[in-house]
Amino acid sequence: KAGVTQTPRYLIKTRGQQVTLSCSPISGHRSVSWYQQTPGQGLQFLFEYFSETQRNKGNFPGRFSGRQFSNSRSEMNVSTLELGDSALYLCASSLGTVNQPQHFGDGTRLSIL
Amino acid sequence: GQQVMQIPQYQHVQEGEDFTTYCNSSTTLSNIQWYKQRPGGHPVFLIQLVKSGEVKKQKRLTFQFGEAKKNSSLHITATQTTDVGTYFCAAHNAGNNRKLIWGLGTSLAVNP
Repeated sequence: KAGVTQTPRYLIKTRGQQVTLSCSPISGHRSVSWYQQTPGQGLQFLFEYFSETQRNKGNFPGRFSGRQFSNSRSEMNVSTLELGDSALYLCASSLGTVNQPQHFGDGTRLSIL
Repeated sequence: GQQVMQIPQYQHVQEGEDFTTYCNSSTTLSNIQWYKQRPGGHPVFLIQLVKSGEVKKQKRLTFQFGEAKKNSSLHITATQTTDVGTYFCAAHNAGNNRKLIWGLGTSLAVNP
Protein backbone atom coordinates (compact mmCIF):
# COMPACT_ATOMS: atom_id res chain seq x y z
CA LYS A 1 0.00 0.00 0.00
CA ALA A 2 1.40 3.38 -0.95
CA GLY A 3 2.00 5.82 1.87
CA VAL A 4 1.00 9.44 2.20
CA THR A 5 2.42 11.51 -0.64
CA GLN A 6 3.11 15.21 -0.34
CA THR A 7 4.15 17.49 -3.17
CA PRO A 8 6.28 19.40 -3.66
CA ARG A 9 9.01 18.34 -1.22
CA TYR A 10 10.69 21.75 -1.24
CA LEU A 11 9.46 25.20 -2.09
CA ILE A 12 11.00 28.65 -2.02
CA LYS A 13 8.74 31.68 -2.11
CA THR A 14 8.99 35.37 -1.35
CA ARG A 15 6.93 37.46 1.03
CA GLY A 16 3.48 38.33 -0.24
CA GLN A 17 3.20 35.37 -2.59
CA GLN A 18 0.80 32.51 -2.13
CA VAL A 19 1.44 28.77 -2.17
CA THR A 20 -0.55 25.56 -2.58
CA LEU A 21 0.61 22.27 -1.10
CA SER A 22 -0.83 18.90 -2.03
CA CYS A 23 -1.39 15.72 -0.06
CA SER A 24 -2.54 12.32 -1.30
CA PRO A 25 -3.61 10.08 1.59
CA ILE A 26 -3.29 6.35 1.95
CA SER A 27 -5.93 4.58 -0.12
CA GLY A 28 -9.10 4.19 1.93
CA HIS A 29 -8.25 6.95 4.39
CA ARG A 30 -10.91 9.65 4.52
CA SER A 31 -9.32 12.00 7.04
CA VAL A 32 -6.47 14.34 6.19
CA SER A 33 -4.85 16.61 8.77
CA TRP A 34 -2.31 19.34 8.21
CA TYR A 35 0.42 20.42 10.62
CA GLN A 36 3.07 23.11 10.72
CA GLN A 37 6.36 22.14 12.32
CA THR A 38 9.08 24.60 13.27
CA PRO A 39 12.12 23.97 15.51
CA GLY A 40 11.11 23.96 19.15
CA GLN A 41 7.39 24.38 18.42
CA GLY A 42 6.38 20.79 18.00
CA LEU A 43 3.48 20.00 15.70
CA GLN A 44 1.03 22.85 15.34
CA PHE A 45 -2.34 21.62 14.11
CA LEU A 46 -3.78 23.56 11.18
CA PHE A 47 -6.96 21.72 10.24
CA GLU A 48 -8.51 18.35 9.52
CA TYR A 49 -10.71 17.39 6.60
CA PHE A 50 -13.04 14.43 6.51
CA SER A 51 -15.27 13.57 3.57
CA GLU A 52 -14.60 16.95 1.95
CA THR A 53 -15.61 18.89 5.07
CA GLN A 54 -13.41 20.70 7.54
CA ARG A 55 -13.98 18.83 10.79
CA ASN A 56 -11.47 20.51 13.09
CA LYS A 57 -9.46 23.70 12.97
CA GLY A 58 -6.40 25.00 14.81
CA ASN A 59 -5.53 28.56 15.77
CA PHE A 60 -4.05 29.85 12.55
CA PRO A 61 -5.03 33.03 10.70
CA GLY A 62 -7.38 32.97 7.75
CA ARG A 63 -4.43 33.13 5.35
CA PHE A 64 -4.20 29.39 5.89
CA SER A 65 -6.95 27.46 4.16
CA GLY A 66 -7.53 24.02 2.82
CA ARG A 67 -9.87 21.77 0.98
CA GLN A 68 -10.45 18.12 0.31
CA PHE A 69 -11.61 16.52 -2.88
CA SER A 70 -13.96 13.59 -3.41
CA ASN A 71 -10.99 11.21 -3.79
CA SER A 72 -9.77 12.37 -0.32
CA ARG A 73 -6.77 14.21 -1.73
CA SER A 74 -6.25 17.50 0.05
CA GLU A 75 -4.66 20.83 -0.68
CA MET A 76 -3.50 23.53 1.67
CA ASN A 77 -3.17 27.14 0.59
CA VAL A 78 -1.29 29.93 2.29
CA SER A 79 -1.81 33.45 0.98
CA THR A 80 0.21 36.60 1.55
CA LEU A 81 3.22 34.65 2.76
CA GLU A 82 5.22 35.97 5.71
CA LEU A 83 8.76 35.14 6.80
CA GLY A 84 7.33 33.33 9.81
CA ASP A 85 5.54 30.87 7.54
CA SER A 86 8.85 29.17 6.81
CA ALA A 87 8.37 25.67 8.17
CA LEU A 88 7.91 22.00 7.43
CA TYR A 89 4.27 21.35 6.54
CA LEU A 90 3.17 17.82 7.31
CA CYS A 91 0.09 16.05 6.13
CA ALA A 92 -1.29 13.01 7.92
CA SER A 93 -4.07 10.66 6.91
CA SER A 94 -6.17 8.27 8.91
CA LEU A 95 -9.34 6.25 8.57
CA GLY A 96 -11.04 9.10 10.41
CA THR A 97 -12.93 7.06 12.96
CA VAL A 98 -12.32 7.10 16.70
CA ASN A 99 -8.85 6.29 18.01
CA GLN A 100 -7.18 5.82 14.67
CA PRO A 101 -3.44 6.48 14.27
CA GLN A 102 -2.13 9.15 11.95
CA HIS A 103 0.13 8.27 9.03
CA PHE A 104 2.39 11.11 7.98
CA GLY A 105 3.88 12.10 4.66
CA ASP A 106 7.46 13.30 4.28
CA GLY A 107 6.31 16.92 4.35
CA THR A 108 6.86 20.02 2.27
CA ARG A 109 9.72 22.26 3.34
CA LEU A 110 8.62 25.85 2.68
CA SER A 111 11.17 28.64 2.79
CA ILE A 112 10.16 32.28 2.57
CA LEU A 113 12.76 34.78 1.41
CA GLY B 1 -7.50 25.36 25.54
CA GLN B 2 -6.91 21.68 26.06
CA GLN B 3 -3.26 20.83 26.43
CA VAL B 4 -1.02 17.85 26.84
CA MET B 5 2.17 18.76 28.67
CA GLN B 6 5.22 16.69 27.77
CA ILE B 7 8.43 16.62 29.78
CA PRO B 8 11.34 16.86 29.54
CA GLN B 9 11.79 18.92 26.39
CA TYR B 10 15.31 17.55 25.84
CA GLN B 11 17.22 14.59 27.22
CA HIS B 12 20.84 13.66 26.67
CA VAL B 13 21.91 10.17 27.75
CA GLN B 14 24.86 7.85 27.42
CA GLU B 15 24.24 4.76 25.35
CA GLY B 16 22.99 2.04 27.67
CA GLU B 17 21.24 4.39 30.08
CA ASP B 18 17.48 4.42 30.48
CA PHE B 19 15.18 7.20 29.27
CA THR B 20 11.66 8.25 30.19
CA THR B 21 9.34 10.89 28.80
CA TYR B 22 6.05 11.88 30.40
CA CYS B 23 2.78 13.32 29.16
CA ASN B 24 0.30 14.96 31.51
CA SER B 25 -3.17 16.35 31.02
CA SER B 26 -5.51 18.21 33.35
CA THR B 27 -8.48 16.51 31.70
CA THR B 28 -9.37 12.87 31.20
CA LEU B 29 -8.14 11.44 27.95
CA SER B 30 -9.91 9.01 25.66
CA ASN B 31 -6.62 7.49 24.52
CA ILE B 32 -2.93 8.28 24.15
CA GLN B 33 -0.80 7.73 21.09
CA TRP B 34 2.99 7.80 20.87
CA TYR B 35 5.00 8.76 17.81
CA LYS B 36 8.71 8.90 17.01
CA GLN B 37 10.29 11.35 14.60
CA ARG B 38 13.86 10.65 13.52
CA PRO B 39 16.01 13.67 12.57
CA GLY B 40 15.01 14.75 9.07
CA GLY B 41 12.05 12.40 9.04
CA HIS B 42 8.36 12.50 9.77
CA PRO B 43 6.47 11.26 12.85
CA VAL B 44 5.83 7.54 12.84
CA PHE B 45 3.10 5.95 14.94
CA LEU B 46 4.46 3.67 17.67
CA ILE B 47 1.52 2.61 19.79
CA GLN B 48 -1.87 3.52 21.24
CA LEU B 49 -3.15 3.02 24.80
CA VAL B 50 -6.84 3.13 25.54
CA LYS B 51 -7.54 1.42 28.88
CA SER B 52 -6.97 2.83 32.33
CA GLY B 53 -3.69 1.52 33.78
CA GLU B 54 -2.74 -0.12 30.48
CA VAL B 55 0.88 -1.15 29.95
CA LYS B 56 2.30 -2.20 26.60
CA LYS B 57 5.80 -3.23 25.61
CA GLN B 58 7.68 -3.13 22.34
CA LYS B 59 11.10 -4.70 22.84
CA ARG B 60 12.98 -2.13 24.99
CA LEU B 61 10.09 0.36 25.00
CA THR B 62 7.44 0.32 27.73
CA PHE B 63 4.33 2.48 27.46
CA GLN B 64 1.98 3.19 30.36
CA PHE B 65 -1.39 4.89 30.66
CA GLY B 66 -2.30 6.24 34.08
CA GLU B 67 -5.15 4.89 36.19
CA ALA B 68 -7.00 8.19 35.91
CA LYS B 69 -6.27 8.39 32.16
CA LYS B 70 -4.64 11.79 32.62
CA ASN B 71 -1.01 10.86 32.14
CA SER B 72 1.24 8.51 30.23
CA SER B 73 4.89 7.59 30.02
CA LEU B 74 7.29 6.07 27.54
CA HIS B 75 10.31 4.33 29.02
CA ILE B 76 13.27 3.08 26.99
CA THR B 77 15.58 0.57 28.64
CA ALA B 78 19.28 0.58 27.73
CA THR B 79 19.13 3.23 25.02
CA GLN B 80 20.86 2.74 21.70
CA THR B 81 21.93 5.28 19.09
CA THR B 82 19.00 4.14 16.96
CA ASP B 83 16.66 5.57 19.61
CA VAL B 84 17.71 9.12 18.73
CA GLY B 85 14.79 11.32 17.72
CA THR B 86 11.85 13.24 19.06
CA TYR B 87 9.09 11.37 20.85
CA PHE B 88 5.60 12.87 20.74
CA CYS B 89 2.51 11.97 22.64
CA ALA B 90 -0.92 12.78 21.25
CA ALA B 91 -4.34 12.26 22.74
CA HIS B 92 -8.01 12.61 22.13
CA ASN B 93 -9.85 14.40 24.90
CA ALA B 94 -12.54 12.22 26.45
CA GLY B 95 -15.19 14.83 25.77
CA ASN B 96 -14.23 15.48 22.16
CA ASN B 97 -12.31 12.54 20.85
CA ARG B 98 -12.05 13.67 17.27
CA LYS B 99 -9.47 16.42 17.81
CA LEU B 100 -5.98 15.10 18.46
CA ILE B 101 -4.00 17.15 20.96
CA TRP B 102 -0.22 16.95 20.69
CA GLY B 103 2.55 17.32 23.24
CA LEU B 104 5.56 19.42 22.22
CA GLY B 105 7.78 16.37 22.13
CA THR B 106 10.91 15.18 23.91
CA SER B 107 14.12 15.23 21.89
CA LEU B 108 16.42 12.38 22.82
CA ALA B 109 20.15 12.46 22.07
CA VAL B 110 22.27 9.36 22.76
CA ASN B 111 26.05 9.52 23.15
CA PRO B 112 27.75 6.35 21.86
